[in-house]
Amino acid sequence: DIQMTQSPSTLSASVGDRVTITCRASQSISTWLAWYQQKSGKAPNLLIYRASSLQTGVPSRFSASGSGTEFTLTISSLQPDDFATYYCQQYNTYSWTFGQGTKVEIK
Amino acid sequence: QVQLVESGGGVVQPGGSLRLSCAASGFIFSNYGMQWVRQAPGKGLEWVAFIRYDGGSKDYADSMKGRFTIARENSKNTLYLQMNSLTVEDTAVYYCVKAKRDGPTGDLYYFDYWGQGTLVTVSS
Repeated sequence: DIQMTQSPSTLSASVGDRVTITCRASQSISTWLAWYQQKSGKAPNLLIYRASSLQTGVPSRFSASGSGTEFTLTISSLQPDDFATYYCQQYNTYSWTFGQGTKVEIK
Repeated sequence: QVQLVESGGGVVQPGGSLRLSCAASGFIFSNYGMQWVRQAPGKGLEWVAFIRYDGGSKDYADSMKGRFTIARENSKNTLYLQMNSLTVEDTAVYYCVKAKRDGPTGDLYYFDYWGQGTLVTVSS
């Protein structure tokens, strides 16, 4: 299986900060990567697909980039609603795998 | 709007069985692949199983092969997960997920809509 590794595991930030989360794949996955946001006690919500395409309805402060094995998710100006856990996921194979998650906490 | 409503979770003893259901609405169910994803308490997300739009192809995570069976009934817009030989490690919230096609030939899938989840607790 393709292993997905996110960093950092926890990130402390303030409202208005620019935040970047990194995701690395154990082998090349081209651009077949998605990002999800999960708030406490809720189901995950799709933010980004195909490494950089914003899902309909997701605020434009979210952006993402990357290809091959290295990817990033950026929140340009952190809002109170953005404090959550973020997961990357590869869909290059029929054995989908997620990163371990990055929790964005209030500083 | 897309709605996925899981049911069937509960408490079961180790070695027992449980069948989860997912009622889908707001989209043409028979046109889309579907998935189950689980999340153990306080842990990350783990893919469980996939079924193609017509039920003709199924895939399972290695730890679920031979114990779990994914199925669908397109006439009822319903997805199922039959879980047998359950262990305490299967304790998790199980999410029903709609799969969206992607890729140059449309044979890759990401997860665009998730249900609210149903909790399965395996305990003696």
